[in-house]
Amino acid sequence: KAGVTQTPRYLIKTRGQQVTLSCSPISGHRSVSWYQQTPGQGLQFLFEYFSETQRNKGNFPGRFSGRQFSNSRSEMNVSTLELGDSALYLCASSFSIQGGEAFFGQGTRLTVV
Amino acid sequence: AQSVTQLGSHVSVSEGALVLLRCNYSSSVPPYLFWYVQYPNQGLQLLLKYTTGATLVKGINGFEAEFKKSETSFHLTKPSAHMSDAAEYFCAVFTGTASKLTFGTGTRLQVTL
Repeated sequence: KAGVTQTPRYLIKTRGQQVTLSCSPISGHRSVSWYQQTPGQGLQFLFEYFSETQRNKGNFPGRFSGRQFSNSRSEMNVSTLELGDSALYLCASSFSIQGGEAFFGQGTRLTVV
Repeated sequence: AQSVTQLGSHVSVSEGALVLLRCNYSSSVPPYLFWYVQYPNQGLQLLLKYTTGATLVKGINGFEAEFKKSETSFHLTKPSAHMSDAAEYFCAVFTGTASKLTFGTGTRLQVTL
């Protein structure tokens, strides 16, 4: 059974640009969550989608957005990139909205220069 | 609101020694608790979880944790450390009301010869 797949693994972008990150969850999983990991702030919750609906959102500016497709694949977008957006972005998938057991992808390392 | 406190950002043990990583949580409702491990440039891998039932849970790679409600703790232990255990460990709490994982700040485990 394939795990959570995140693409791309590495990205370098310039300030002011926008970026889209992709996440394919484990087959059969309908919940996808996104987290930002930085040395200073640790792991912070961005948002969670279940069956194409955003159920929960963390405390991030509106430049951070996401969506989920009917096949459960998810994308997150960051517009007008800032240097502080440099981070490891992790996607996690879960079978249901209960239980919280999440399986993580390897992440996308975003560097903003 | 839920929160997690991991005591000790760095822990160093000798190979073969006991590993003890501390985690305390705060939650207004019964929580689900998790330990994840992260190797360099990788995502998070689930070590073990507590949902309900037996308070001593066993995970992968010889790790176990005990849920102590009276102490609001979920400490991670391993009887004998191995060099391959060197990584960063994250404790996390999930509640249905928050519908997200809240992570501690992580503990970096160093294993020395």
